[in-house]
Amino acid sequence: GESVGLHLPTLSVQEGDNSIINCAYSNSASDYFIWYKQESGKGPQFIIDIRSNMDKRQGQRVTVLLNKTVKHLSLQIAATQPGDSAVYFCADTYGGATNKLIFGTGTLLAVQP
Amino acid sequence: ETGVTQSPTHLIKTRGQQVTLRCSSQSGHNTVSWYQQALGQGPQFIFQYYREEENGRGNFPPRFSGLQFPNYSSELNVNALELDDSALYLCASSRDRKQETQYFGPGTRLLVL
Repeated sequence: GESVGLHLPTLSVQEGDNSIINCAYSNSASDYFIWYKQESGKGPQFIIDIRSNMDKRQGQRVTVLLNKTVKHLSLQIAATQPGDSAVYFCADTYGGATNKLIFGTGTLLAVQP
Repeated sequence: ETGVTQSPTHLIKTRGQQVTLRCSSQSGHNTVSWYQQALGQGPQFIFQYYREEENGRGNFPPRFSGLQFPNYSSELNVNALELDDSALYLCASSRDRKQETQYFGPGTRLLVL
């Protein structure tokens, strides 16, 4: 992905609902993908990752789906809680001497009580 | 908590000045990457250090420089500060340069006046 603009896409959900956050990446050679959560005033926090040889991976309350054909990544959060409110970034990288992460724009998840 | 620490937490400088930011990596990690995050955007890769050597650099001018020490802590130095350097500076550590999962510190908020 590439970061563009100053206005973050926002997803507003009700507490208890499931959330789906989407991300597009641009480098077809990318082989590793990570979702990070960033709360206001804090650094990005690792949530879940997936390699290009997989199309789905599950964690605790989170699932990441990877569609390499259309270069699309999604993060599903089950039973969304107020503590999930944050900006969510996808990042990708490809095998090489430097594993620099390329971050997407970010999505602001707002959980309504 | 990731175990990655950064100092200072906040800093105010004026144009033309120089600044040094510090990062202590997580125990057992020998690779540190630095990112710049402008307000409302995703982090942008500055450079990476592996075992005290620079191991890749993003699209940043030479006035951005760094160091890594034998204990794998790291410094980011920025000379001749410009207004656009105002941002959150993040460091991330990983077990090895080939280990893609990067764990971020809380960041240093730099304001250039």
